[in-house]
Amino acid sequence: KAGVTQTPRYLIKTRGQQVTLSCSPISGHRSVSWYQQTPGQGLQFLFEYFSETQRNKGNFPGRFSGRQFSNSRSEMNVSTLELGDSALYLCASSLIRGRNEQFFGPGTRLTVL
Amino acid sequence: GESVGLHLPTLSVQEGDNSIINCAYSNSASDYFIWYKQESGKGPQFIIDIRSNMDKRQGQRVTVLLNKTVKHLSLQIAATQPGDSAVYFCAEDSNSGYALNFGKGTSLLVTP
Repeated sequence: KAGVTQTPRYLIKTRGQQVTLSCSPISGHRSVSWYQQTPGQGLQFLFEYFSETQRNKGNFPGRFSGRQFSNSRSEMNVSTLELGDSALYLCASSLIRGRNEQFFGPGTRLTVL
Repeated sequence: GESVGLHLPTLSVQEGDNSIINCAYSNSASDYFIWYKQESGKGPQFIIDIRSNMDKRQGQRVTVLLNKTVKHLSLQIAATQPGDSAVYFCAEDSNSGYALNFGKGTSLLVTP
């Protein structure tokens, strides 16, 4: 069974631009969560999607948004990029909502210049 | 706000020794905890979880201990191997939904 895939793996953008990251969950998984990982703040929860609806949102500004499609694939968007948005963005999928194992993808490394 | 944190940022152990990685949490209402391992260039990988109605859970070469009295969690790795070198995170399941709250991580280095 293929794991969680994220595209692109690496991305370089400049301040003020916007970016869209993609996540394909494990086949059959319906819950997708996004996390931001930085050396200073560690792993921080961004949002969770289930059945095409955002179920939870972390403490991030409105520049961070996301969506989930009917096939459970998810995208996240960051508008008006800032230097501080440079991070590894991780997507995790799980079969159902609730306390079951989350499987993480390899992440997208975003660098904002 | 309430947080999950780790005592030591780095831990160096010799191959074959046992490793103990510690984690403190501050939210007394937390009732589900997970340990993740992250190798360089990869996403976190689930190791083991424990619910608050337990104080110990064992997996393959790993044991998680939960002390709710002092809000402390530990991961024990038996007979540590070079492949265990990674960053280890404890995570807490938020009571508001399925949103993991991660600690800062401990880097484990296994030396020959």
